[in-house]
Amino acid sequence: EDQVTQSPEALRLQEGESSSLNCSYTVSGLRGLFWYRQDPGKGPEFLFTLYSAGEEKEKERLKATLTKKESFLHITAPKPEDSATYLCAVGPGATNKLIFGTGTLLAVQP
Amino acid sequence: GAVVSQHPSWVICKSGTSVKIECRSLDFQATTMFWYRQFPKQSLMLMATSNEGSKATYEQGVEKDKFLINHASLTLSTLTVTSAHPEDSSFYICSASEGGWSNQPQHFGDGTRLSIL
Repeated sequence: EDQVTQSPEALRLQEGESSSLNCSYTVSGLRGLFWYRQDPGKGPEFLFTLYSAGEEKEKERLKATLTKKESFLHITAPKPEDSATYLCAVGPGATNKLIFGTGTLLAVQP
Repeated sequence: GAVVSQHPSWVICKSGTSVKIECRSLDFQATTMFWYRQFPKQSLMLMATSNEGSKATYEQGVEKDKFLINHASLTLSTLTVTSAHPEDSSFYICSASEGGWSNQPQHFGDGTRLSIL
């Protein structure tokens, strides 16, 4: 069964304190792994797509990496405006659906 | 680019009312649109996949007669919650992708908060 597990459920950081979020997955034929940011009361905002193990992508303070079993979202020197829920999703090979994890709620304190 | 607009943002209505939610891709053509439901502190659960010009594909456990989906053009899909009841109260979110394949990102609307009294 295709499945996505994110950890931790919640993370509180001080401004400038770097950390990583984890997304573990089992999927039949990965077509892509996606990271989204979701603010309260809003729809998810697309951040990255990773297609194959070893791939990395960066955007400002965020860097996403991918292995055959998991993905990490590294946050370097976070700011309070980085506070949000970060969602990971996988696209199984045979369909055009996305399967989402339950997200990591990140709070960055000034 | 890749902007998806969803309307209305929130709806409060009486039990038994039908509610229509619109999802538009503003700057691209979307052959496929998706409808999700999200409960508080939970992730997005796919309800159905909407393909332009054809019938929607519903996920297991989703009542197609209660959640009517129409995808009449490449930029508009609608979800109608028929005879809504309090248990249908939720956050409904649509998404669209240009290619329709799972290796292309889905772009999401800002959701509709539905409250049934």
